[in-house]
Amino acid sequence: EPEVTQTPSHQVTQMGQEVILRCVPISNHLYFYWYRQILGQKVEFLVSFYNNEISEKSEIFDDQFSVERPDGSNFTLKIRSTKLEDSAMYFCASTGKPGNTIYFGEGSWLTVV
Amino acid sequence: AQSVTQLDSQVPVFEEAPVELRCNYSSSVSVYLFWYVQYPNQGLQLLLKYLSGSTLVESINGFEAEFNKSQTSFHLRKPSVHISDTAEYFCAVTHPSNTGKLIFGQGTTLQVKP
Repeated sequence: EPEVTQTPSHQVTQMGQEVILRCVPISNHLYFYWYRQILGQKVEFLVSFYNNEISEKSEIFDDQFSVERPDGSNFTLKIRSTKLEDSAMYFCASTGKPGNTIYFGEGSWLTVV
Repeated sequence: AQSVTQLDSQVPVFEEAPVELRCNYSSSVSVYLFWYVQYPNQGLQLLLKYLSGSTLVESINGFEAEFNKSQTSFHLRKPSVHISDTAEYFCAVTHPSNTGKLIFGQGTTLQVKP
């Protein structure tokens, strides 16, 4: 079964450093997402991406965050200057169209120290 | 705007007992509803979904959920749980015509005891 893959699985970074989380969505999918789950809390929507542009973003997704699809397969989330409160599990997801099943990756656990 | 409420943060239950995980949603428009499961140290996996048609939907591992429009609920049930069902369960909602983003509930930890 096709799957969404994410790298790295775990990253520790110092406060203020830039972090790039990488994702390879399912190949024929067109809609891509990033979600965040702070330890012990619910999964929160960050951003959706379609047709090479952001289609929706949440209040969490401020100027420190950016997304990019640099080629035909990768979808990245960049945090420009990490803060302690950015420590969380970040999930990438993709789907063929809204309403279809959204497939999630295994997540990238980010620890900011 | 949509929202999802999972009333129970933790549900302890003995093996082979029935279980119900509650989910209520709020939306002014029609929605699609989902249950995702997160096993320890793993990502989110779709358990089942309601898009339209029959209000009772089933998963391959014995879970079922019923869409109740009048009560705005989508409770998850299983008649007999196994130890391996121990996980975090998330109810989620999306609107058919938007970007497809999911709005998640707070999650319910199902703890199955031997």
